[in-house]
Amino acid sequence: DTAVSQTPKYLVTQMGNDKSIKCEQNLGHDTMYWYKQDSKKFLKIMFSYNNKELIINETVPNRFSPKSPDKAHLNLHINSLELGDSAVYFCASSQGQLSSYEQYFGPGTRLTVT
Amino acid sequence: DAKTTQPPSMDCAEGRAANLPCNHSTISGNEYVYWYRQIHSQGPQYIIHGLKNNETNEMASLIITEDRKSSTLILPHATLRDTAVYYCIVSWSGGYQKVTFGIGTKLQVIP
Repeated sequence: DTAVSQTPKYLVTQMGNDKSIKCEQNLGHDTMYWYKQDSKKFLKIMFSYNNKELIINETVPNRFSPKSPDKAHLNLHINSLELGDSAVYFCASSQGQLSSYEQYFGPGTRLTVT
Repeated sequence: DAKTTQPPSMDCAEGRAANLPCNHSTISGNEYVYWYRQIHSQGPQYIIHGLKNNETNEMASLIITEDRKSSTLILPHATLRDTAVYYCIVSWSGGYQKVTFGIGTKLQVIP
């Protein structure tokens, strides 16, 4: 069983389009995250949700809108895609929101904007 | 703005212990030291974490110096599957977890 899953794995789209990435975890965790890994391989946190509530928003353009319908799902919707949005996006989850809990990452979604 | 310093790359012979160092000289008393790794094209994988004491699990050992300004991740018997980028991270324990990944150390295990 996959602990943290993401769909799609690859996403190729044109500038200006709107796209969504879905994330699901079956670990029973109540905290979920979105990270962006750029071409230089830096992995930066974007958002964190705890029990469907947004707790971290790391100065991400408001074209990015996370949505958590329940605590097992955290989706990422991106409006008006730009070339600079091309990256690998990782979803993660942890048992709690404190630093005493390790994070479990999904396999990533490679987004290419042309 | 990562708070840690790691060598950019290291080699290790297969079957030998891999010792990956990390400096975190500005660590505060309530910050944990975490280690993750990222095998090519996969999501990061948690390895181990600690606050003050040395820690060991089925994957690795974490040795934290007494002043907590540096630590070493030890993979006791490196295999080719351990080839990955290893990230040392400090994370505040007092509030919401916000993990910041640096560049990490690219470990190449050589046959």
